[in-house]
Amino acid sequence: GESVGLHLPTLSVQEGDNSIINCAYSNSASDYFIWYKQESGKGPQFIIDIRSNMDKRQGQRVTVLLNKTVKHLSLQIAATQPGDSAVYFCAENMGRNTPLVFGKGTRLSVIA
Amino acid sequence: DSGVTQTPKHLITATGQRVTLRCSPRSGDLSVYWYQQSLDQGLQFLIQYYNGEERAKGNILERFSAQQFPDLHSELNLSSLELGDSALYFCASSATGGYYGYTFGSGTRLTVV
Repeated sequence: GESVGLHLPTLSVQEGDNSIINCAYSNSASDYFIWYKQESGKGPQFIIDIRSNMDKRQGQRVTVLLNKTVKHLSLQIAATQPGDSAVYFCAENMGRNTPLVFGKGTRLSVIA
Repeated sequence: DSGVTQTPKHLITATGQRVTLRCSPRSGDLSVYWYQQSLDQGLQFLIQYYNGEERAKGNILERFSAQQFPDLHSELNLSSLELGDSALYFCASSATGGYYGYTFGSGTRLTVV
């Protein structure tokens, strides 16, 4: 399940700095959003989610912000670590019983 | 280990051939989803099955087909393969309709030569 080779925008950050990964979603009717992390050799893994009635949700070292006005999601990672190096995808759910729609992804590269 | 098992991990085949990718969902999950990940397209939804029946269809080519068996495992069949079919194919599963997200397998890397 390697993601190496994907033609993606890349964000490079120094270890210990905060990272912000952005995503523009497509459908104003989407009511649930998820961030996934895909490490080399693995499939995408759930990180954090947010419902459309919220504008912020915090997890452990991660925060997701939702701006419905401009259809924008961001994932903030605090004190970025080498283990955070991966491809990050946002996904939107347009309703129950509809498949998730994934954004194109961003590659995060952490510089030690 | 996510609990979703995909086999094989790697597959190399020639143009025009047919292959079958296999997926065993996480225990208790009734829905299976297939996604294709290619260099420029990100994760593209192909098809979803729920408890043996097709539930949703995405941009799946007519040369591709899938099914979910009574034991809930699923197979994705790719025929008349072309070079452009080279990609990672992911299977994911969820308990019901997948509203709260899916659990992905590690994928099958298909290379068509």
